[in-house]
Amino acid sequence: DTGVSQDPRHKITKRGQNVTFRCDPISEHNRLYWYRQTLGQGPEFLTYFQNEAQLEKSRLLSDRFSAERPKGSFSTLEIQRTEQGDSAMYLCASRKENRDGYTFGSGTRLTVV
Amino acid sequence: TQLLEQSPQFLSIQEGENLTVYCNSSSVFSSLQWYRQEPGEGPVLLVTVVTGGEVKKLKRLTFQFGDARKDSSLHITAAQPGDTGLYLCAPASNAGGTSYGKLTFGQGTILTVHP
Repeated sequence: DTGVSQDPRHKITKRGQNVTFRCDPISEHNRLYWYRQTLGQGPEFLTYFQNEAQLEKSRLLSDRFSAERPKGSFSTLEIQRTEQGDSAMYLCASRKENRDGYTFGSGTRLTVV
Repeated sequence: TQLLEQSPQFLSIQEGENLTVYCNSSSVFSSLQWYRQEPGEGPVLLVTVVTGGEVKKLKRLTFQFGDARKDSSLHITAAQPGDTGLYLCAPASNAGGTSYGKLTFGQGTILTVHP
């Protein structure tokens, strides 16, 4: 078990470009979460998948954001037409049951210039 | 809307000192988790507390869940430089009556332990 993997670890992009991040959860974990964290703040919830179904989305997730988990395994988070305010650490977490703790990945640090 | 407050926001201490950080809310929670996050990494789960008044110990760390399940504290004895990090509390919440187990994180306490 290699834990939760996120790729890339760092991404620098120009304003207006599209970016896509990938998350590979722990294999037996059917619950997958995306969070965003800015400097000095705790993580903020973005969206939740149970298997391949996206069951909840935060109001933080504007129309420029889309997340998928097509086969109930890995997930992708795409941001279209990036803005400087999108600069943050994007964290993925997974767990098997609601009573379990999250296992987080190391995150993807996005910088929009 | 639940208001979650962690205090202090920053804490800078010398190795060997004791410290307590707090997590307070106006809402009642079914459970609460504490995480530690190091720079450039994701948070790592330390403990889950479920029962009001519950106390859990993890080596030099002592976690307490308030009797009313609205607050929690983390006490560290004889802090070490390796304890440095961002300490986050995260009560579990229900969404619209369906428990997706989404966690809402506090702002965190940034702890720096100097050798």
